[in-house]
Formats: sequence, C-alpha cells, structure tokens
Amino acid sequence: RKEVEQDPGPFNVPEGATVAFNCTYSNSASQSFFWYRQDCRKEPKLLMSVYSSGNEDGRFTAQLNRASQYISLLIRDSKLSDSATYLCVVNEGTSGTYKYIFGTGTRLKVLA
Amino acid sequence: DTEVTQTPKHLVMGMTNKKSLKCEQHMGHRAMYWYKQKAKKPPELMFVYSYEKLSINESVPSRFSPECPNSSLLNLHLHALQPEDSALYLCASSDGLGPYNEQFFGPGTRLTVL
Repeated sequence: RKEVEQDPGPFNVPEGATVAFNCTYSNSASQSFFWYRQDCRKEPKLLMSVYSSGNEDGRFTAQLNRASQYISLLIRDSKLSDSATYLCVVNEGTSGTYKYIFGTGTRLKVLA
Repeated sequence: DTEVTQTPKHLVMGMTNKKSLKCEQHMGHRAMYWYKQKAKKPPELMFVYSYEKLSINESVPSRFSPECPNSSLLNLHLHALQPEDSALYLCASSDGLGPYNEQFFGPGTRLTVL
C-alpha cells in the first residue's frame, strides 16, 4: 500500500460545481497534512494546512479524519482558474527525520 | 515574503559536463530541500538540510552532490549525469523540520541531459 494515495482523476467539472477529493495515508502517527496545487510546468503552491479536524479558506475546505486516515479537499463554486493538479502531502517522521510525503496528485479540469 | 528563488530556470548539459543548480531563500528558514520531479509524477525527495547540515539523503546517486554554504543558500552540484536525470529540480524551504512547518517551493530548474 502506498504511503499517501490519491485518485489521479481527471475530474472534469463545470464552472460553479462543487468537487471533492480524498487522500488516504497509511501512517497513523502522521501529524500534519497539506494540500498543494500545481499548475502545468510550475512549482507546487501551498493551498491549505490541516493540523486538527479541518480548515476553511474561502471556497476551499479541508477535512481530516484521523480514525479513517484520510484528508479531503472540497472546492465550492469551481472557477476555470481552479484547473490544476492537487497534491496531498503528509508530514511524518521523528525528531530530525521529518519529511513530506507526496501523493500522486489529482487532476482537476473545470470546464466552461 | 514567501519566496524561494532558483537559478538557472533551464539547463541543458551533456553527460560529461559539470554544472550547479542554485537556490536561495530570505525567509529565515532553517530547513531546505531538493526534490526531483518527472512529468506527471509527484516531487521525489532527494536531500534535506537542517541548520546547514545534511539531515536526509534519500539514497541519491553520488553524481548529485548537495551543498549548503549558509542558511539561505542551497546548491546542487551535477556531474556525469544520465539522460534519465532530465527532470524539474525543485528547491523548497521550511521554518524547521518539525511536523507543523509549511514548506515553500521555488520555481524549479528544468534540466535536460543530452
């Protein structure tokens, strides 16, 4: 089982739709979680950090379910500019060896 | 200002060349990272520096040699690379190595090995 798993998509949704992605992680000791978006041929950009049960920023909501070991990202009122790959990242390790584990990413295409 | 800069943006090199990639951050971050990213794949961790000391080496071949001259600079020295090393090389930084530190990426260097 991969450490961090995501559905690769693509998710094709119309403008204005609500879309949700899930990400599952295998290490129950993982402490922090992040969503990044990455546009084609660009660097990943931090979208949201999730440390407790969830986080909300405008149209974006992230939820953490530790019992089931998954994180979700909900995008409301999708815009064309939301089209990108969304990377789920889990930080795990012990003192001195923490590192960020990336999921394979979920591609989103918002259609006009 | 959350900015990590990388130079050059693009690099083409032959298998016998020696070149270096450079990364700089002015956020006072104490941890810096090198990642390699192939097309349609997630970034793969290569090296982690914490307080200018190498903390993690993910079994990277010796033809890649990292260097951290000071807390804001990170270099990646390249020698005798193979065509399969062609990729986007991303530098990142975070305030520390603990689990609650957000990581910020530079724009990357797109490397082509002929």
